[in-house]
Amino acid sequence: NAGVMQNPRHLVRRRGQEARLRCSPMKGHSHVYWYRQLPEEGLKFMVYLQKENIIDESGMPKERFSAEFPKEGPSILRIQQVVRGDSAAYFCASSPSRGGGSGNTIYFGEGSWLTVV
Amino acid sequence: SQQGEEDPQALSIQEGENATMNCSYKTSINNLQWYRQNSGRGLVHLILIRSNEREKHSGRLRVTLDTSKKSSSLLITASRAADTASYFCAIGGKLIFGQGTELSVKP
Repeated sequence: NAGVMQNPRHLVRRRGQEARLRCSPMKGHSHVYWYRQLPEEGLKFMVYLQKENIIDESGMPKERFSAEFPKEGPSILRIQQVVRGDSAAYFCASSPSRGGGSGNTIYFGEGSWLTVV
Repeated sequence: SQQGEEDPQALSIQEGENATMNCSYKTSINNLQWYRQNSGRGLVHLILIRSNEREKHSGRLRVTLDTSKKSSSLLITASRAADTASYFCAIGGKLIFGQGTELSVKP
């Protein structure tokens, strides 16, 4: 049973370009979460999605960032017009139903490391 | 803030010793989870302890939870060099993480 799959693992973008990060949840999981980890910091929640719905985007920057989890295919975190401050590790996680507080384990992918030059 | 806060920020011990990490939080919780992160890797789920549990074991790991003090501890017994990693506690439905404890186990 494959775990949470993220790609690409490493991505280099020039300032002003777009970055697209993909996440395929574990089989049978319909809840996806995105987190960002800046160097030597803990993970910060960005967005929580179910299939075709954004449930909680309270951690998403107001501009340039968007996320989707379509009916078919992986979840996508999209960063437009990247800046150097967007350089970070972006982690996707999934759970079979509403996670964390309901007692469901949330499983993480290996992360996508974005470097903006 | 719901954020869990780990203490200490860094811990260095010898192989075979026990390592204790603490986590404090501010809100009421349904459960608390501990994760490990090796450098450059994703997070690995270690253990989930529910609010009605006081202690939970998994192999060499022992987690305690004191909801009256809003704190939890993670004990790793007989540590190994392979335990070297950052350890995070997380609370809430969407997981709010602390800054983590960086554990270094020297062979």
